[in-house]
Amino acid sequence: EDQVTQSPEALRLQEGESSSLNCSYTVSGLRGLFWYRQDPGKGPEFLFTLYSAGEEKEKERLKATLTKKESFLHITAPKPEDSATYLCAVQAREGGGNKLTFGTGTQLKVEL
Amino acid sequence: DVKVTQSSRYLVKRTGEKVFLECVQDMDHENMFWYRQDPGLGLRLIYFSYDVKMKEKGDIPEGYSVSREKKERFSLILESASTNQTSMYLCASRLGGSGANVLTFGAGSRLTVL
Repeated sequence: EDQVTQSPEALRLQEGESSSLNCSYTVSGLRGLFWYRQDPGKGPEFLFTLYSAGEEKEKERLKATLTKKESFLHITAPKPEDSATYLCAVQAREGGGNKLTFGTGTQLKVEL
Repeated sequence: DVKVTQSSRYLVKRTGEKVFLECVQDMDHENMFWYRQDPGLGLRLIYFSYDVKMKEKGDIPEGYSVSREKKERFSLILESASTNQTSMYLCASRLGGSGANVLTFGAGSRLTVL
């Protein structure tokens, strides 16, 4: 069974204080790993897809990386508007391959 | 951009009522999904549909049914609502095929069952 574990559950940062969120996964052949951002009371919003170990993607202050067992979402010099819950999900290559398995998320708060 | 619209943002229903949650997408996506999201449990898949009139059970289908009569519309039905179905319900759609295609979510429907 595919599993996704995110840590920490919650993270409080000062503005400008860089940090990383972790997503550990087990899957029977990875088709894709997804990062989403979710603001309170809203649906998740897509950030990145990573397909293979060693791949990296960047968007503004966010950078996502992937190994064979985990993914990191690095946040450089965060701002208060980066406060949100960040969700990680995996899609397996075989067996119900259209389904995503989600982690429970990391709730990030960036303070002035 | 793909838009996924959930018709009801907030609903309050009584135990035993029949509840319909409607979802419409405007980009001709083949696949559509219903998730529920609860604190500490993350997003859990209820049902999904590969195409019109097709449906597959997800991880937690008990107490729910779905309908997909048109490609753009996917409805979630609670035949007899219970208090443990109080949750945030999220609809999503995606292009079909075998690739790692991105899910696009609606804004969510928060259901409270009293």
